[in-house]
Parts: sequence; structure tokens; C-alpha cells
Amino acid sequence: QKEVEQDPGPLSVPEGAIVSLNCTYSNSAFQYFMWYRQYSRKGPELLMYTYSSGNKEDGRFTAQVDKSSKYISLFIRDSQPSDSATYLCAMSFYNQGGKLIFGQGTELSVKP
Amino acid sequence: NAGVTQTPKFRVLKTGQSMTLLCAQDMNHEYMYWYRQDPGMGLRLIHYSVGEGTTAKGEVPDGYNVSRLKKQNFLLGLESAAPSQTSVYFCASSSDRGIVSSYEQYFGPGTRLTVT
Repeated sequence: QKEVEQDPGPLSVPEGAIVSLNCTYSNSAFQYFMWYRQYSRKGPELLMYTYSSGNKEDGRFTAQVDKSSKYISLFIRDSQPSDSATYLCAMSFYNQGGKLIFGQGTELSVKP
Repeated sequence: NAGVTQTPKFRVLKTGQSMTLLCAQDMNHEYMYWYRQDPGMGLRLIHYSVGEGTTAKGEVPDGYNVSRLKKQNFLLGLESAAPSQTSVYFCASSSDRGIVSSYEQYFGPGTRLTVT
């Protein structure tokens, strides 16, 4: 069993829909939680990060961490075709020299 | 700033051949990483470096070697390529100026390697 599990999709939604992307993890020692976005044939780029539990909002994006359930989510409101990409969750322990453990990635397609 | 660059972008190797992938960054980052990305597997860490002259193993280091002789460069070597090493290879770098900065990794465009 991988330490970080993510449904690979693909997930297809109409423009304007609310999208929910999720990851589960097995190691309760994870402290930092990140979401990376990867466009086709490009390298990933950091979208959002959260430390420990709670919510964080940035424009149309909201990241949630529920450490009691070992579950993290990324919500995208008013989804746009430009949001079509693969979304990777990533997490790490405290002060690990930047080492990240990634989920498998969820491929999202937003149809106009 | 070019950010993180990778050379070459594409390569086809025959089983048993060797090659070196070059990663360069111009952001003065201390940390550098090599990942491979395979369908359904996400990004898996091969080797990483926390500073010039240092390297460490990641999740899938077998069959690969690395060197970080200069701060801005991180080389990934395949001594004897195998078909199982067919993958897309990404290099990344991050700053050591704070814990959060260390997790903001900047990725290169990737190298698509096929081993036949």
C-alpha cells in the first residue's frame, strides 16, 4: 500500500462545476500538505500548501486537511477549461529537506 | 531567469547503454531532486541533494547514480539502461530558506526517455 493514495481519474466536469479532489494517507506524522498542478507535457507547479489541519483558501481554490481522518481535499469553484490538468497531492514530515511524497495524481478535464 | 532546465528533452537508448541527464537551476537553490513519473504511479523520488557535494537516496534509487559537483547542477546517470527505466524524468529545486520554502519545488520541463 502506498503511503499516499489518490484516485487517478480521469475526472470530467462541465465548466462552472465545483470540483473535489482527494487524497488519503497512512502516516499520521505528515505535517505539510501540498497540491501541485501539472499541465500536459509540463513539469508540476505548486498550487497550494497547508500546515497541519484546517482550511486554506486562494481565489477559486480551497485546500482542506483532516488529520483525524488522514484525508486531504482540494476544491475548485467555478471550474474553467484552463483548470484542465493533472492535480497531484504531496506531503511531508517536519523539516525533511524538502522531500515530498506524491500521490498518483488525478487527471481533470473541464469541458466548455 | 531560466528557472530549471533539463538536457536532453528526449532520448532513446538501447538496453545496456549509458547516459547522463543534466539539470541546471539559476535560482541559487540549495536543494535539488530527481524524480521519475510513470502512468498511475505519480512522481517518485530517485535521488536528492541538500547542497553542493551531497547526495542521498530517495524512494527508487536502484540503477541510477547522481552527482552535485556544482550548486547549480545536478546530474543523473544511468550506467546500464533497462526497459524498466523508460519514463519521464523531472528535475526540481527548492530553497533552504525556511521549511515552507523547501517544499515549494520548481520543476524542469522533463526528459522523455525510452529504453528499447
